[in-house]
Amino acid sequence: AQSVAQPEDQVNVAEGNPLTVKCTYSVSGNPYLFWYVQYPNRGLQFLLKYITGDNLVKGSYGFEAEFNKSQTSFHLKKPSALVSDSALYFCAVRDIRPSNTGKLIFGQGTTLQVKP
Amino acid sequence: DGGITQSPKYLFRKEGQNVTLSCEQNLNHDAMYWYRQDPGQGLRLIYYSQIVNDFQKGDIAEGYSVSREKKESFPLTVTSAQKNPTAFYLCASTRTGGSYNEQFFGPGTRLTVL
Repeated sequence: AQSVAQPEDQVNVAEGNPLTVKCTYSVSGNPYLFWYVQYPNRGLQFLLKYITGDNLVKGSYGFEAEFNKSQTSFHLKKPSALVSDSALYFCAVRDIRPSNTGKLIFGQGTTLQVKP
Repeated sequence: DGGITQSPKYLFRKEGQNVTLSCEQNLNHDAMYWYRQDPGQGLRLIYYSQIVNDFQKGDIAEGYSVSREKKESFPLTVTSAQKNPTAFYLCASTRTGGSYNEQFFGPGTRLTVL
């Protein structure tokens, strides 16, 4: 079965320090992976995606993610966290059944708390 | 939240009532989706539509209904058969032509059953 896991409910980091939000996946075939951010009482905003090519994907607001096929991971990273990065982050993978529907399977979400 | 609007932002329903949540997009996207968000559970797919006049059930369709009479609009009705409808509802859309396209989300509707 296809699935996405975000093993940490919450990540705490000090402003200026690097941050990592973890995501692992289980899919058949090549994975299409996405990261979204959600601020309180708002919709999700797209950050970045991995389809093919370079394992390091750069996205919006200085975020990047590293695709690791052997570890089936797609961790979100940022070199220097800002207080304004505090939000709920979702990892998602394309659902291949049925194909070409654009359906996504979402992880449970990770709350990022950046403290001044 | 560009290009997708949802209304109302907050909605209160009495038990036994049907309510309809609006979702409109001006992105010329073919595919549209409805999700339900509960704390700690991520997003769960209710219904999706890839083309006008066609839609499919998602993982938690029971107690919900949809229509897709226009490309721009994908309203969701929460019926009285939905036993626990209090949640945050999100509408999304994406281009077709490849399932590698990201979804764009609306701002959401928070439904509370009184």
